[in-house]
Amino acid sequence: QSALTQPPSASGSPGQSVTISCTGTSSDVGAYNYVSWYQQHPGKAPKLMMYEVSKRPSGVPDRFSGSKSGNTASLTVSGLQAEDEADYYCSSYAGSNNLLFGGGTKLTVV
Amino acid sequence: EVQVLESGGGLVQPGGSLRLSCAASGFTFSSYAMSWVRQAPGKGLEWVSAISGSASSTNYADSVKGRFTLSRDNSKNTLYLQMNSLRADDTAVYFCARAPYSNSWYHSFDYWGQGALVTVSS
Repeated sequence: QSALTQPPSASGSPGQSVTISCTGTSSDVGAYNYVSWYQQHPGKAPKLMMYEVSKRPSGVPDRFSGSKSGNTASLTVSGLQAEDEADYYCSSYAGSNNLLFGGGTKLTVV
Repeated sequence: EVQVLESGGGLVQPGGSLRLSCAASGFTFSSYAMSWVRQAPGKGLEWVSAISGSASSTNYADSVKGRFTLSRDNSKNTLYLQMNSLRADDTAVYFCARAPYSNSWYHSFDYWGQGALVTVSS
């Protein structure tokens, strides 16, 4: 199975909102609500930002929100801050004991 | 405080073997599924393998099936990844990651280690 599809890059100014998409198929994103999002700063380990499509772990600012429509999941970052600049990866359970990640999106706060 | 710490990375020749370890602390290790996720230099994340909390089930990505073996020793709070028949495209940072449940390893990964670099080259 192929990786989930994410835009390579996204950008926004401080205070603005930006949405990152994650497109899969009816066998993965469209079939399960096990969609997660991870933030990764350069040289660091990924950090869980969203799970089960739209649930935020403790400590993640409510500026981050998640949603899903059909085969596409989305992560929205509102009120962009400089520290939000990072790579973002989505993941989805794909059935048959397989997990897929997206290719990653580099978010730039300009 | 939950911590996971990888070790065992290094340089290995194509066709060689290496064993990664992941030492866990700050939680009841046997109650959580664990996974390895790798990241090739400059590339994205790729799930490699997962094991249930009791070690009763293991799962592998097609890219490593038959070459990698995942195991855990709950008495030592340690996860192991035995990697055989290594290839150049196995070169990556290997992250150890915890799932928030014992059996639903695919739910999400709530804690990650800092990673261990594995380089396969002659």
